[in-house]
Amino acid sequence: AQTVTQSQPEMSVQEAETVTLSCTYDTSESDYYLFWYKQPPSRQMILVIRQEAYKQQNATENRFSVNFQKAAKSFSLKISDSQLGDAAMYFCAYRSANSGTSGSRLTFGEGTQLTVNP
Amino acid sequence: DTEVTQTPKHLVMGMTNKKSLKCEQHMGHRAMYWYKQKAKKPPELMFVYSYEKLSINESVPSRFSPECPNSSLLNLHLHALQPEDSALYLCASSHGTGTYNYGYTFGSGTRLTVV
Repeated sequence: AQTVTQSQPEMSVQEAETVTLSCTYDTSESDYYLFWYKQPPSRQMILVIRQEAYKQQNATENRFSVNFQKAAKSFSLKISDSQLGDAAMYFCAYRSANSGTSGSRLTFGEGTQLTVNP
Repeated sequence: DTEVTQTPKHLVMGMTNKKSLKCEQHMGHRAMYWYKQKAKKPPELMFVYSYEKLSINESVPSRFSPECPNSSLLNLHLHALQPEDSALYLCASSHGTGTYNYGYTFGSGTRLTVV
């Protein structure tokens, strides 16, 4: 079974600064997807960024980028120029690329609560 | 339309009540999901529907009964719940359950309180 570990329950950053959230995972599969989701107090889970395991290039979405190290099974999220609206719970998630029911499951880490200080 | 709509947003029910949660999407997604989330915890998978058929039931108690009347609609029927069932119930959808299936689109959830 796959597991996802987020070792930082809480992080804080000053507005306009850069912060990196850590995520490691364990899997025996070679093909999979990794995601970062953001959950603000409004409760909705918002997809921030995704990475396909077969792609070596790190994904980037505006101020959000990842450092994907497949061999190390590491998938960290970097938020640049942090804004007050970035404050939220961030979940790292894994999904198998295999067809069938195993591909339906998102495995989440425990989450990192990010505070942005003005 | 790129949203998953969940109703109601808040629900308070007694342990003997019967209620239903509703989830709707019009993105043509063929997989739909129910997740349960406790405060400051990650979501836990409850059910998966793929092409309107139940494909995963994570050993959820029978007091939770899912239903998928069509490809756009997902219901969760609740009966004889316990106070420990109080949580945020999230619905999500995705293109499918196979390889062509990236992330999910989540709704904003129903906050359920059982009294």
